[in-house]
Amino acid sequence: EAGVVQSPRYKIIEKKQPVAFWCNPISGHNTLYWYRQNLGQGPELLIRYENEEAVDDSQLPKDRFSAERLKGVDSTLKIQPAELGDSAVYLCASSLGTDTQYFGPGTRLTVL
Amino acid sequence: AQSVTQPDIHITVSEGASLELRCNYSYGATPYLFWYVQSPGQGLQLLLKYFSGDTLVQGIKGFEAEFKRSQSSFNLRKPSVHWSDAAEYFCAVGPGYSSASKIIFGSGTRLSIRP
Repeated sequence: EAGVVQSPRYKIIEKKQPVAFWCNPISGHNTLYWYRQNLGQGPELLIRYENEEAVDDSQLPKDRFSAERLKGVDSTLKIQPAELGDSAVYLCASSLGTDTQYFGPGTRLTVL
Repeated sequence: AQSVTQPDIHITVSEGASLELRCNYSYGATPYLFWYVQSPGQGLQLLLKYFSGDTLVQGIKGFEAEFKRSQSSFNLRKPSVHWSDAAEYFCAVGPGYSSASKIIFGSGTRLSIRP
């Protein structure tokens, strides 16, 4: 069974540029999560989807971050414009309902 | 509000030695507890989880953890570490009622293995 797929794995951009990350969850998993992991820290939830509905986006900085999961399967997280402080690893996870979360390999973003 | 503390930022043990990684949590009710491992450049892999039942939980790769309600702890143990165990380990806590949808992660413990 394929795991959670994320792309790209690495991204380097200059500040004020836009960037997007893509995630394809495990087949059949209706719940999808985006996390941000700063260096030396644990992951912090940005947004959680149940099917196509964002049910928890309280930690998403909505002035520059946006996410979508239009058909309730894959998802895109966007930052526009990026700031230096956005440099981090962005992790996607999925689960069947509220069961155990399974994580993708992440996208390492460097903002110069 | 729930929280997780991993007091050890970095631990080094010799290959073949035993290991214990500490995790303390704060939660008002019965928590849902997890240990994840993250190898360099990889995502998080679930080692084990606990919600109810036997307080000693067996996981993958020879790891186990023990839930001690009186100490609000969920320490991870392994009797004999291998060089491949070098990684970052994260403890996480979620609300009870078997929900893993809103979990909080600790800041992690980096494990190094001495040859």
